Order: sequence, then C-alpha cells, then structure tokens
Amino acid sequence: DARVTQTPRHKVTEMGQEVTMRCQPILGHNTVFWYRQTMMQGLELLAYFRNRAPLDDSGMPKDRFSAEMPDATLATLKIQPSEPRDSAVYFCASGSPDRIYNEQFFGPGTRLTVL
Amino acid sequence: GQQLNQSPQSMFIQEGEDVSMNCTSSSIFNTWLWYKQDPGEGPVLLIALYKAGELTSNGRLTAQFGITRKDSFLNISASIPSDVGIYFCAGQLISSNTGKLIFGQGTTLQVKP
Repeated sequence: DARVTQTPRHKVTEMGQEVTMRCQPILGHNTVFWYRQTMMQGLELLAYFRNRAPLDDSGMPKDRFSAEMPDATLATLKIQPSEPRDSAVYFCASGSPDRIYNEQFFGPGTRLTVL
Repeated sequence: GQQLNQSPQSMFIQEGEDVSMNCTSSSIFNTWLWYKQDPGEGPVLLIALYKAGELTSNGRLTAQFGITRKDSFLNISASIPSDVGIYFCAGQLISSNTGKLIFGQGTTLQVKP
C-alpha cells in the first residue's frame, strides 16, 4: 500500500526553537511538494522538488524556512527560528507529473504548534 | 496570482440529498482534480480529469471538466454521513508543465443523519 509518510504527526515547540519535518514520498515518484494549511489561507504551496532539485520555493519565507531532499526517499522542511505564526498543518505530497497526468498524493500532515 | 473560485464555501444537507459544488477561474486549465479531506488527515484524491468535457464517476461521485477548460463541478448523489469533510478542487494551468497545482478554498460538507 503505497503512501506518503510524514513525521512527526504533531509537534509543539516554543518560539525560537528549530523545527524539522520529514516526508517520505511514494517510491518511484519524482516530484515532492510542501504545503501549509491554515484556516485563513487554505492550502499554500511552499516549495517543490523534481528529481531532488528545487523547482520553486517562492512560497516559502526564505529567512527562516529551508527545504531539502537529501535523497530520493526523504524530503525535509526546516523552520529556524520558529514563530507562533508558523503554527499550521504542513503537508507533503508526491507525484510523477508528466505532460498529461498531474496527480498529487498527500501525506497525513504534521500539525505544528509554536507557543 | 492565479485563483480558483470554489463554491459553495459550506453546505449543510440532509442524508440522502444530492450535492453539487464547482470551481471556476478566468484562466484555462489542462487538469482538474477533486480531493476530500477528513479531519486530521491529508487530502485524498477522488477524481482526476484531463480532457475538456470529460465526465468521470467514482461510485456516487461524478465530476466534469468544463468545456471551456475554466471550470469543473463535482456531484455527490444520495449523500451519507461519511461524506462529511472538506472537498477541494485543484487544477494545473495550461501554461504550466511542472505539476504545480492551484487549489480552491474548499467546500465544507456537513450531512445530517
């Protein structure tokens, strides 16, 4: 049963602390997307990678957020230092978009609370 | 930036009723996807549409890719309590080939038994 996995599922931290979220895409998928979901903003695309290379991270606050794919089975999203306004659910999604098919499959999310 | 207008924002219906929701844009899309999100979970893909005019069903769900390529709708027939959740439309602009999707703001569905 191929699924996107994310860890941790929940994270509570204090302002100023570093937060690292991890994602394992579905085996064989070459594109990984990071989203943030809040009640006010809905689903926002933060960054995405194809074949481990960053394609677009314009949705991400660059001063405190960073995203990497150290290998094909792991994507990370890091916030340093974290702030209360970063509290949200962060989703990872993976897919293998081509000229025709563009389906993305989402993980269960990491619910982040910054106090 | 590009936007999808999804409506209605929320619906409260009686079990057994049919449901209809839609997404519209001023831009042209080559892909429309419909997702459902349960509380505490990630969005789950329900239906994918890739051709203008395409009509696709998945059980009690039916979705269509608008002929103008600027809209899509999702219908749920004979709703049941487990249909409760947030439904999102998502599309890829015809000018894009990166797999990047634009999401609607979601339709929250509540079903009264």
